[in-house]
Amino acid sequence: NAGVMQNPRHLVRRRGQEARLRCSPMKGHSHVYWYRQLPEEGLKFMVYLQKENIIDESGMPKERFSAEFPKEGPSILRIQQVVRGDSAAYFCASSPTGVSSSGANVLTFGAGSRLTVL
Amino acid sequence: AQSVSQHNHHVILSEAASLELGCNYSYGGTVNLFWYVQYPGQHLQLLLKYFSGDPLVKGIKGFEAEFIKSKFSFNLRKPSVQWSDTAEYFCAVTRTSGTYKYIFGTGTRLKVLA
Repeated sequence: NAGVMQNPRHLVRRRGQEARLRCSPMKGHSHVYWYRQLPEEGLKFMVYLQKENIIDESGMPKERFSAEFPKEGPSILRIQQVVRGDSAAYFCASSPTGVSSSGANVLTFGAGSRLTVL
Repeated sequence: AQSVSQHNHHVILSEAASLELGCNYSYGGTVNLFWYVQYPGQHLQLLLKYFSGDPLVKGIKGFEAEFIKSKFSFNLRKPSVQWSDTAEYFCAVTRTSGTYKYIFGTGTRLKVLA
């Protein structure tokens, strides 16, 4: 049973280019979360998605960032016109449900995608 | 809004020393609490979790944590650390109702000297 798969593991972009990060959740998981890890700042929540729905995007920057989780295929975090400040590790996590009253909602993390903007 | 504070950002210990990492959260309602560990170059892994019941929770690799509701704390402990415990440790909290998301602390980097 493969875990949460993220690709690419490392991505280098020049300022102004677009970055696309992909996340395939664990088999049977329909809830996906994206987090950004900046040096010395820990993990910051970005967005929470279910299939074809954005549930909570309160952590997403208002511009240039978008996320989707289509009916088929992986979840994608898209960053347009990247700037140096976007350089970070982006982690995806998944869970089987979004209900908090049981142990079923423990997040399983992927290995992360490290974005470097030159 | 919920927040999580980890007051120790960097901790250096010798092998066999005891470990306690602090974690405090701010939220008045019922919460679930977690400790995750990130070994160098690896992804986050769950160490232990608290949902309800016994406030002393035992996790993998000899770690345990105690939930003290009155202090809004969930400190991580290990009686005797090993060199292989060198990693970054994250405390996280989530509400038990509504759409939920994990709120993480800023992490504590632990270095264990052999």
